[in-house]
Amino acid sequence: NAGVTQTPKFRVLKTGQSMTLLCAQDMNHEYMYWYRQDPGMGLRLIHYSVGEGTTAKGEVPDGYNVSRLKKQNFLLGLESAAPSQTSVYFCASSQQGEGFNEQFFGPGTRLTVL
Amino acid sequence: SQQGEEDPQALSIQEGENATMNCSYKTSINNLQWYRQNSGRGLVHLILIRSNEREKHSGRLRVTLDTSKKSSSLLITASRAADTASYFCATEGQGNNRLAFGKGNQVVVIP
Repeated sequence: NAGVTQTPKFRVLKTGQSMTLLCAQDMNHEYMYWYRQDPGMGLRLIHYSVGEGTTAKGEVPDGYNVSRLKKQNFLLGLESAAPSQTSVYFCASSQQGEGFNEQFFGPGTRLTVL
Repeated sequence: SQQGEEDPQALSIQEGENATMNCSYKTSINNLQWYRQNSGRGLVHLILIRSNEREKHSGRLRVTLDTSKKSSSLLITASRAADTASYFCATEGQGNNRLAFGKGNQVVVIP
Protein backbone atom coordinates (compact mmCIF):
# COMPACT_ATOMS: atom_id res chain seq x y z
CA ASN A 1 0.00 0.00 0.00
CA ALA A 2 1.97 3.00 -1.29
CA GLY A 3 -0.55 5.65 -0.21
CA VAL A 4 -0.16 8.83 -2.24
CA THR A 5 2.70 9.06 -4.71
CA GLN A 6 3.83 12.00 -6.84
CA THR A 7 5.86 12.14 -10.02
CA PRO A 8 8.36 13.72 -10.53
CA LYS A 9 10.10 14.61 -7.26
CA PHE A 10 12.05 17.51 -8.75
CA ARG A 11 11.83 19.51 -11.93
CA VAL A 12 13.43 22.62 -13.40
CA LEU A 13 11.57 24.44 -16.17
CA LYS A 14 12.24 27.48 -18.26
CA THR A 15 9.64 30.22 -18.44
CA GLY A 16 6.97 29.30 -20.97
CA GLN A 17 7.55 25.55 -20.85
CA SER A 18 4.75 23.19 -19.95
CA MET A 19 4.64 20.14 -17.73
CA THR A 20 2.28 17.76 -15.95
CA LEU A 21 2.55 16.59 -12.37
CA LEU A 22 1.08 13.20 -11.65
CA CYS A 23 -0.54 12.16 -8.40
CA ALA A 24 -1.66 8.60 -7.74
CA GLN A 25 -3.39 7.07 -4.72
CA ASP A 26 -4.17 3.44 -4.00
CA MET A 27 -6.61 3.95 -1.13
CA ASN A 28 -9.74 4.20 -3.30
CA HIS A 29 -10.31 7.75 -2.06
CA GLU A 30 -12.99 9.85 -3.70
CA TYR A 31 -11.46 13.25 -3.00
CA MET A 32 -8.12 14.51 -4.27
CA TYR A 33 -6.39 17.87 -3.89
CA TRP A 34 -3.46 19.84 -5.26
CA TYR A 35 -1.71 22.37 -3.01
CA ARG A 36 1.30 24.59 -3.35
CA GLN A 37 3.55 25.47 -0.43
CA ASP A 38 5.62 28.61 -0.41
CA PRO A 39 7.85 29.89 2.41
CA GLY A 40 5.81 31.65 5.07
CA MET A 41 2.54 30.99 3.23
CA GLY A 42 1.46 27.60 4.48
CA LEU A 43 -0.45 25.44 1.99
CA ARG A 44 -2.79 26.95 -0.56
CA LEU A 45 -5.33 24.90 -2.48
CA ILE A 46 -4.98 25.05 -6.26
CA HIS A 47 -7.66 22.65 -7.52
CA TYR A 48 -9.50 19.69 -6.12
CA SER A 49 -11.73 16.84 -7.24
CA VAL A 50 -14.67 15.21 -5.51
CA GLY A 51 -14.72 12.18 -7.77
CA GLU A 52 -13.69 10.70 -11.10
CA GLY A 53 -14.42 13.11 -13.93
CA THR A 54 -14.95 16.14 -11.68
CA THR A 55 -12.69 19.07 -10.83
CA ALA A 56 -13.13 22.38 -9.04
CA LYS A 57 -11.10 25.52 -8.43
CA GLY A 58 -9.43 26.19 -5.15
CA GLU A 59 -7.86 29.31 -3.73
CA VAL A 60 -5.12 29.87 -6.34
CA PRO A 61 -6.18 28.15 -9.62
CA ASP A 62 -4.83 30.63 -12.18
CA GLY A 63 -2.14 29.22 -14.46
CA TYR A 64 -3.00 25.61 -13.65
CA ASN A 65 -5.31 22.99 -15.09
CA VAL A 66 -6.26 19.59 -13.72
CA SER A 67 -7.84 16.36 -14.86
CA ARG A 68 -9.27 13.34 -13.05
CA LEU A 69 -9.88 10.76 -15.74
CA LYS A 70 -9.34 7.84 -13.38
CA LYS A 71 -10.31 7.70 -9.74
CA GLN A 72 -6.78 6.92 -8.61
CA ASN A 73 -5.03 9.67 -10.59
CA PHE A 74 -5.12 13.45 -10.39
CA LEU A 75 -3.01 15.41 -12.86
CA LEU A 76 -1.87 19.01 -12.46
CA GLY A 77 -0.81 20.83 -15.60
CA LEU A 78 1.14 24.02 -16.14
CA GLU A 79 0.59 25.17 -19.71
CA SER A 80 3.09 28.04 -19.71
CA ALA A 81 5.26 28.06 -16.61
CA ALA A 82 6.13 31.34 -14.89
CA PRO A 83 8.75 32.05 -12.19
CA SER A 84 5.87 32.76 -9.77
CA GLN A 85 4.99 29.07 -10.02
CA THR A 86 8.27 28.07 -8.40
CA SER A 87 7.04 26.17 -5.38
CA VAL A 88 6.65 22.80 -3.73
CA TYR A 89 3.50 21.04 -4.89
CA PHE A 90 1.66 18.55 -2.73
CA CYS A 91 -1.11 16.21 -3.67
CA ALA A 92 -3.51 14.83 -1.08
CA SER A 93 -6.49 12.53 -0.96
CA SER A 94 -9.29 11.79 1.47
CA GLN A 95 -12.02 9.21 1.67
CA GLN A 96 -14.73 11.81 1.55
CA GLY A 97 -14.75 15.55 1.77
CA GLU A 98 -16.98 17.15 4.33
CA GLY A 99 -17.06 15.52 7.72
CA PHE A 100 -14.46 13.87 9.81
CA ASN A 101 -11.86 12.72 7.36
CA GLU A 102 -8.15 13.36 7.35
CA GLN A 103 -6.16 14.06 4.23
CA PHE A 104 -3.25 11.88 3.19
CA PHE A 105 -0.39 13.70 1.54
CA GLY A 106 2.19 12.73 -1.05
CA PRO A 107 5.90 13.52 -0.63
CA GLY A 108 5.78 16.63 -2.83
CA THR A 109 7.26 17.86 -6.10
CA ARG A 110 9.81 20.66 -5.96
CA LEU A 111 9.44 22.81 -9.07
CA THR A 112 11.76 25.61 -10.10
CA VAL A 113 10.87 27.89 -13.00
CA LEU A 114 13.76 29.92 -14.36
CA SER B 1 -7.76 32.48 2.07
CA GLN B 2 -5.68 31.42 5.04
CA GLN B 3 -8.00 30.38 7.83
CA GLY B 4 -5.74 29.13 10.56
CA GLU B 5 -3.07 31.27 12.11
CA GLU B 6 -0.65 29.56 14.42
CA ASP B 7 1.06 31.30 17.31
CA PRO B 8 3.97 31.26 18.05
CA GLN B 9 5.65 30.90 14.70
CA ALA B 10 8.83 29.26 15.97
CA LEU B 11 9.57 27.41 19.17
CA SER B 12 12.80 25.98 20.50
CA ILE B 13 12.66 23.73 23.57
CA GLN B 14 14.75 21.18 25.42
CA GLU B 15 13.97 17.51 25.14
CA GLY B 16 11.53 16.47 27.82
CA GLU B 17 9.78 19.85 27.98
CA ASN B 18 6.26 20.45 26.77
CA ALA B 19 5.51 22.38 23.58
CA THR B 20 2.32 24.37 23.11
CA MET B 21 1.07 25.91 19.90
CA ASN B 22 -2.05 27.93 19.27
CA CYS B 23 -4.24 28.39 16.26
CA SER B 24 -7.02 30.86 15.58
CA TYR B 25 -9.57 30.88 12.82
CA LYS B 26 -12.26 33.18 11.52
CA THR B 27 -15.33 31.27 10.36
CA SER B 28 -17.52 28.44 11.61
CA ILE B 29 -15.99 25.02 11.21
CA ASN B 30 -16.88 21.33 11.03
CA ASN B 31 -13.58 20.28 12.50
CA LEU B 32 -10.01 21.37 13.10
CA GLN B 33 -7.02 19.20 12.31
CA TRP B 34 -3.34 19.30 13.17
CA TYR B 35 -0.65 18.07 10.80
CA ARG B 36 3.10 17.61 11.15
CA GLN B 37 5.64 18.16 8.40
CA ASN B 38 9.20 16.98 8.69
CA SER B 39 11.75 18.83 6.60
CA GLY B 40 11.42 17.98 2.93
CA ARG B 41 8.44 15.69 3.45
CA GLY B 42 4.69 15.74 3.01
CA LEU B 43 2.26 16.50 5.79
CA VAL B 44 1.15 13.80 8.18
CA HIS B 45 -2.17 13.94 9.99
CA LEU B 46 -1.87 14.02 13.78
CA ILE B 47 -5.29 14.58 15.26
CA LEU B 48 -8.77 15.82 14.40
CA ILE B 49 -11.17 17.53 16.78
CA ARG B 50 -14.79 18.07 15.85
CA SER B 51 -16.63 21.32 16.44
CA ASN B 52 -18.71 19.76 19.21
CA GLU B 53 -15.63 18.49 21.08
CA ARG B 54 -13.58 20.52 23.55
CA GLU B 55 -10.56 18.34 24.14
CA LYS B 56 -8.95 15.30 22.58
CA HIS B 57 -5.91 13.19 23.38
CA SER B 58 -3.73 10.97 21.26
CA GLY B 59 -0.60 9.58 22.88
CA ARG B 60 1.54 12.58 23.89
CA LEU B 61 -0.72 14.99 22.02
CA ARG B 62 -3.50 17.01 23.58
CA VAL B 63 -5.72 19.28 21.51
CA THR B 64 -8.27 21.73 22.80
CA LEU B 65 -10.89 23.63 20.85
CA ASP B 66 -12.76 26.73 21.96
CA THR B 67 -15.35 27.55 19.32
CA SER B 68 -16.49 30.67 21.17
CA LYS B 69 -12.98 32.12 20.81
CA LYS B 70 -12.37 30.40 17.47
CA SER B 71 -9.09 29.00 18.72
CA SER B 72 -7.31 25.71 19.29
CA SER B 73 -4.15 24.62 21.02
CA LEU B 74 -1.85 21.66 20.47
CA LEU B 75 0.22 20.43 23.39
CA ILE B 76 3.05 17.95 22.91
CA THR B 77 4.12 16.55 26.25
CA ALA B 78 7.59 15.21 27.09
CA SER B 79 8.99 16.30 23.75
CA ARG B 80 11.59 14.27 21.89
CA ALA B 81 14.17 15.24 19.29
CA ALA B 82 12.03 13.38 16.74
CA ASP B 83 9.24 15.90 17.36
CA THR B 84 11.31 18.53 15.55
CA ALA B 85 9.07 19.54 12.66
CA SER B 86 6.62 22.15 11.43
CA TYR B 87 3.10 21.88 12.75
CA PHE B 88 0.07 23.14 10.86
CA CYS B 89 -3.49 23.60 11.89
CA ALA B 90 -6.20 23.24 9.27
CA THR B 91 -9.88 23.95 9.46
CA GLU B 92 -12.73 22.40 7.52
CA GLY B 93 -15.38 25.04 7.07
CA GLN B 94 -19.06 24.32 7.31
CA GLY B 95 -20.66 23.60 3.98
CA ASN B 96 -17.50 22.74 2.10
CA ASN B 97 -15.12 19.85 1.71
CA ARG B 98 -11.82 21.66 1.80
CA LEU B 99 -9.19 22.44 4.40
CA ALA B 100 -7.73 25.88 5.04
CA PHE B 101 -4.21 25.68 6.42
CA GLY B 102 -2.36 28.03 8.68
CA LYS B 103 1.19 29.14 8.02
CA GLY B 104 2.75 26.65 10.38
CA ASN B 105 4.76 26.52 13.58
CA GLN B 106 8.38 25.43 13.46
CA VAL B 107 9.34 23.44 16.54
CA VAL B 108 12.91 22.51 17.34
CA VAL B 109 13.54 20.06 20.17
CA ILE B 110 17.11 20.18 21.42
CA PRO B 111 18.48 16.84 22.65
